[in-house]
Amino acid sequence: AQSVAQPEDQVNVAEGNPLTVKCTYSVSGNPYLFWYVQYPNRGLQFLLKYITGDNLVKGSYGFEAEFNKSQTSFHLKKPSALVSDSALYFCAVSPPQGGGSYIPTFGRGTSLIVHP
Amino acid sequence: GAVVSQHPSWVICKSGTSVKIECRSLDFQATTMFWYRQFPKQSLMLMATSNEGSKATYEQGVEKDKFLINHASLTLSTLTVTSAHPEDSSFYICSARGTVYNSPLHFGNGTRLTVT
Repeated sequence: AQSVAQPEDQVNVAEGNPLTVKCTYSVSGNPYLFWYVQYPNRGLQFLLKYITGDNLVKGSYGFEAEFNKSQTSFHLKKPSALVSDSALYFCAVSPPQGGGSYIPTFGRGTSLIVHP
Repeated sequence: GAVVSQHPSWVICKSGTSVKIECRSLDFQATTMFWYRQFPKQSLMLMATSNEGSKATYEQGVEKDKFLINHASLTLSTLTVTSAHPEDSSFYICSARGTVYNSPLHFGNGTRLTVT
């Protein structure tokens, strides 16, 4: 069975500083990995995904994530945080096609707070 | 981009009544839809997966007779909370996936249900 761990419930960072939101996963085979963001009282919005290819994936709003197969990690990063980046961030994993149920597994979410 | 419309965005109902929540994919065909429940400051809890024209598959612990899911077309899925009780109060979110296996999920903006 696949699983996702987001070890931090909350990440605090000052505006203008780099941010990292951590995610590790467990899945059989090569994973499909996703990051989503949720603003208060809204649904989730897709940020970026890793399917194959370059380990560094760039997404929306200046976010990027690095796939590290040996560490089974897919940390979300941004070089310079904005106050408007404050939100709840979810990492998700799906097994490769044919590897079982497509149903993606979500981490428990990390609340990012960017201080002015 | 792909848009999922979820209605209503909020609803208040009396205990014992039923509430229907609609989830529509506006510009793509949603072969699979997922229904989630989210408690405050907590992750998403998958309730059920529905494929167009098939019966929904419910997660363990979710009462299928209480949470009726219908996915009658490739653009519409509904969740009906029957005989609602205060403990059913929550934030319900739908998401949809198109025909491409590794495409990200597209989420509705959620429905805040309050049962009095």
